[in-house]
Amino acid sequence: EAQVTQNPRYLITVTGKKLTVTCSQNMNHEYMSWYRQDPGLGLRQIYYSMNVEVTDKGDVPEGYKVSRKEKRNFPLILESPSPNQTSLYFCASSPTPRSWGTQGYTFGSGTRLTVV
Amino acid sequence: KNQVEQSPQSLIILEGKNCTLQCNYTVSPFSNLRWYKQDTGRGPVSLTIMTFSENTKSNGRYTATLDADTKQSSLHITASQLSDSASYICVVSDLYNNNDMRFGAGTRLTVKP
Repeated sequence: EAQVTQNPRYLITVTGKKLTVTCSQNMNHEYMSWYRQDPGLGLRQIYYSMNVEVTDKGDVPEGYKVSRKEKRNFPLILESPSPNQTSLYFCASSPTPRSWGTQGYTFGSGTRLTVV
Repeated sequence: KNQVEQSPQSLIILEGKNCTLQCNYTVSPFSNLRWYKQDTGRGPVSLTIMTFSENTKSNGRYTATLDADTKQSSLHITASQLSDSASYICVVSDLYNNNDMRFGAGTRLTVKP
């Protein structure tokens, strides 16, 4: 089944403890992206990647890092999490950034992160 | 900054009724507009995409309209079902920037029996 897999689904951590949220897609998509979703706000882009070893900042990159060493994986790293990073995170992928096809972007099921 | 505004923020309707959700945007130049459905605790799933030249597009009981002149789109749901309860998100893309997708905050629809 074509999908984007995020892990973990739920995570509670303490301030300052480094964590990684994994994202993997099995569709050979070039484009991958991370978003955070907060109540009353639309999805906001954290980082994106046009292809392997090509990453760039989105709208809210502060406090996050990413890497794209291989096409299928795009982990999100929080080096020193803070309470304002408590949010619902989504990873998404598409064949190309424009994603003209009817499918649009494929999103993962989300990771609910709580930083205390 | 380009923006996408959706209304209403939330909506409660009875099963079987119709409803219409609105999306106004200021993204320019416009490339395409998508409506996504997001079930609670899940990632968004694309319902439909509309380009500049398209006025109406249907996907089952969902019908999206686009007025590129007034920069407005609507999503009409016919004969609502309990499974339609979800958030509906409007996403607008910029024509020249490969990465510029603007997300609306969504409309939370609740369908009651």
